[in-house]
Amino acid sequence: DSGVTQTPKHLITATGQRVTLRCSPRSGDLSVYWYQQSLDQGLQFLIQYYNGEERAKGNILERFSAQQFPDLHSELNLSSLELGDSALYFCASTKTGEGEPQHFGDGTRLSIL
Amino acid sequence: GQQLNQSPQSMFIQEGEDVSMNCTSSSIFNTWLWYKQEPGEGPVLLIALYKAGELTSNGRLTAQFGITRKDSFLNISASIPSDVGIYFCAGRASSNTGKLIFGQGTTLQVKP
Repeated sequence: DSGVTQTPKHLITATGQRVTLRCSPRSGDLSVYWYQQSLDQGLQFLIQYYNGEERAKGNILERFSAQQFPDLHSELNLSSLELGDSALYFCASTKTGEGEPQHFGDGTRLSIL
Repeated sequence: GQQLNQSPQSMFIQEGEDVSMNCTSSSIFNTWLWYKQEPGEGPVLLIALYKAGELTSNGRLTAQFGITRKDSFLNISASIPSDVGIYFCAGRASSNTGKLIFGQGTTLQVKP
C-alpha cells in the first residue's frame, strides 16, 4: 500500500460528459502528480501541484483541469469527454515536489462509452 | 508525448533465468527510476538512481545509471513466478520539478 488513495476505482460514462477524479496524497506529502496511462501512449505526465500551486505541466488537454486544495488532496476534472479519453489515470505524491521518487495510487479506470 | 525507448517490449522466460532490460534517451536525465506494475495496481517503485555510474541493488534486482546519463538498465537474477508484471523505466530531466518521463514498459512472463 503506497498510502496514495484514489477514488473512484472505476468510472463509466458517456461522450460529452464531465467527471472528477480524486486523489489523497501520502501523509506529509505536499506535491501531487497526475498521469494518464493508455494502451498506445504509455504513462504520460499531465500536471504537478505543490502545496496548492501548479508546479509543472505536461501535455494536458485544455478540456482537463486540476487543482490541489488546502488539505492537499487533488482533483482532476475531465470535461467534454471523448472516446480517446478512456484510460487509467494515476496520481502520485512526494514530499517536496523535486528529487524524491514518486509513490503511485492504484488509479482510476475511466471508460467512455 | 516524450518517451524513453525501453527494450525489450516483452519477455517470456523460464523460472530461474536472469533477465535484463534497458532504457535509452536522446536527452540527459539526472534521475532514473524503475517501477513494476501488476494488473489493477499502480506502479511500485523498485530502484531509484541519482548519479551517473551508480549501481544499486534491491534483493535480486540490480539497476545502473549509465555514464552518459542517457541510459539505464535493470537486471533481475534467478527469476521467480512472482516477478511477472510490467517493468517501467522513468527519467527525470529537471531537478526543480518532479515530472517523470516513462518508457513503454517491458512485460515479463515467467514460466514455472
